[in-house]
Amino acid sequence: EVQLVESGGGLVQSGGSLRLSCVASGFIFSSFEMNWVRQAPGKGLEWVSYISGPSRTTYYADSVKGRFTISRDNAKNSLYLQMNSLRAEDTAVYYCARDRPQVPFDFWGQGTLVTVSS
Amino acid sequence: DIQMTQSPSTLSASVGDRVTITCRASQSISKWLAWYQQKPGKAPNLLIYKASNLESGVPSRFSGSGSGTEFTLTISSLQPDDFATYYCQQYSSYSRTFGQGTKVDIK
Repeated sequence: EVQLVESGGGLVQSGGSLRLSCVASGFIFSSFEMNWVRQAPGKGLEWVSYISGPSRTTYYADSVKGRFTISRDNAKNSLYLQMNSLRAEDTAVYYCARDRPQVPFDFWGQGTLVTVSS
Repeated sequence: DIQMTQSPSTLSASVGDRVTITCRASQSISKWLAWYQQKPGKAPNLLIYKASNLESGVPSRFSGSGSGTEFTLTISSLQPDDFATYYCQQYSSYSRTFGQGTKVDIK
């Protein structure tokens, strides 16, 4: 059974940093592209970042470029999001989500809440 | 970035109704469109990919159509479990964008 479990969320002050983790199981993690998607309270979905299986390619939303870094450790079946210079508008539930060929976000984690206080 | 616009924002319907949600892209995305269902406090769930392909395990009352810039999600006969928010999402460009969502509630 495919499972994605996020952790690392919490309350942080504006300007601070946080590192989110997503542990995968039930599939060959290194073979799949992965993403982070967020959802501010009461708002819609926003794609944040993408990383290819071997980590050679990464992409970021303009809203986080230069502040967030996506990475993965295929030996640990883990995906990460390092978030620096956090702002109040980064407050959201952060989900990790898997891609499969030609299919986006076919599995999602349960999400982890990040709250940035100003 | 490619902008995605859904309509309507809210839809009130009854069990058994046929429901259609529209999604428009600001430029052609061929068939690179997905639809998701989200219930309160839960992660989204993939329903349709590549505009018209039903994800495994999704009931056949859900269907998708369209290409280019105009797409639709249809629920042929609304069931109690279908009251939720629905999002379209383009994946034609690396910067994937979602529509603003359509909430389907009980009439």
